[in-house]
Amino acid sequence: GQQVMQIPQYQHVQEGEDFTTYCNSSTTLSNIQWYKQRPGGHPVFLIQLVKSGEVKKQKRLTFQFGEAKKNSSLHITATQTTDVGTYFCTQTGANNLFFGTGTRLTVIP
Amino acid sequence: DVKVTQSSRYLVKRTGEKVFLECVQDMDHENMFWYRQDPGLGLRLIYFSYDVKMKEKGDIPEGYSVSREKKERFSLILESASTNQTSMYLCASSRAWFTGNTIYFGEGSWLTVV
Repeated sequence: GQQVMQIPQYQHVQEGEDFTTYCNSSTTLSNIQWYKQRPGGHPVFLIQLVKSGEVKKQKRLTFQFGEAKKNSSLHITATQTTDVGTYFCTQTGANNLFFGTGTRLTVIP
Repeated sequence: DVKVTQSSRYLVKRTGEKVFLECVQDMDHENMFWYRQDPGLGLRLIYFSYDVKMKEKGDIPEGYSVSREKKERFSLILESASTNQTSMYLCASSRAWFTGNTIYFGEGSWLTVV
């Protein structure tokens, strides 16, 4: 099945620094969803992007969908300790049920 | 709020034992899933079901089976548990497929096979 690759796998940042994680696919995505999993918790839906070039914001989080719909990014401005966790991207829909390895973010106070 | 409930949070089982992991969702979702999560490997799909009595293999079905006799309940069965099945298991559900259905996860079941 199609897979969505994420980079980096791990990221350590100082509190207050920015953070970006990237999702890449070799084929066109119909949509992209982002999930966050806190340490010891379960993945929780953050947002969905559907349109080419779409940009959505949630407070300090900015989500982008590439023009070709083959990549996406999540950018966090001025990270806080509450941002700690693993961020996953995925495409959902029939025959597209695979999550990537995620990016594990550590924020150093 | 959607609720996906996994019956056991922590289990310790012996090698060769039969293990049942139960999952119930309360939102009348058509789709249900079982994933396992291991460090460095992300979420890997074991099985999913899009209707009662229907099941499809995911990425890593070997050593597992599933049962969906009722719409709200999806069980993962380890016929003969082995140590390499020590993992965190996540159940999830979503509405029937069209582009972009949100997946709702349970709290997870930590299984240790000794």
